[in-house]
Amino acid sequence: AQSVTQPDIHITVSEGASLELRCNYSYGATPYLFWYVQSPGQGLQLLLKYFSGDTLVQGIKGFEAEFKRSQSSFNLRKPSVHWSDAAEYFCAVAYNDMRFGAGTRLTVKP
Amino acid sequence: EPEVTQTPSHQVTQMGQEVILRCVPISNHLYFYWYRQILGQKVEFLVSFYNNEISEKSEIFDDQFSVERPDGSNFTLKIRSTKLEDSAMYFCASSDPGELAGYNEQFFGPGTRLTVL
Repeated sequence: AQSVTQPDIHITVSEGASLELRCNYSYGATPYLFWYVQSPGQGLQLLLKYFSGDTLVQGIKGFEAEFKRSQSSFNLRKPSVHWSDAAEYFCAVAYNDMRFGAGTRLTVKP
Repeated sequence: EPEVTQTPSHQVTQMGQEVILRCVPISNHLYFYWYRQILGQKVEFLVSFYNNEISEKSEIFDDQFSVERPDGSNFTLKIRSTKLEDSAMYFCASSDPGELAGYNEQFFGPGTRLTVL
């Protein structure tokens, strides 16, 4: 069955520390891959997307993600987290429709 | 910057009542979507709409749901007889076809919180 998994429900990092949010997918073929961020009470904002080509994609707000076909993963990274990055992060895959992971809530400690 | 708008921001209704959630997609976009997010849960795809017809729908989108583009700007989601479990945040999104029809960036509205009592 097609699915997208975000293994970490909640992650806490200190401001300035590096961040990696995990995303794994299970699809018959390589889907299109996205990361969205949702601040409290807000809609979803696209951080970055992967369709093809270079497997390391750069997004907004200093985020990047790396597509690894062998691991069926599309992990999101940021070298230095800011307090304003505290939010819910959703990985999504699109094949015939778009499906979201359960989300990872990021808390940033001062 | 163009954006997707949704009205109302919060809708409270009695169980069994019909509700219509409204969305104004970005004007040059051709693909439209509805998603829902039950409190504390993940965002779930409901339906996609293109060329005045449903192109994909999930198992959640049963006969109680319908979508319509009544004019050139609005895109609506109707729930015919609401149930308690329909309480959720409903997000509208739109995208332009681009090179990868339907899978370019989807721009999301701020959502309508539906509360069914």
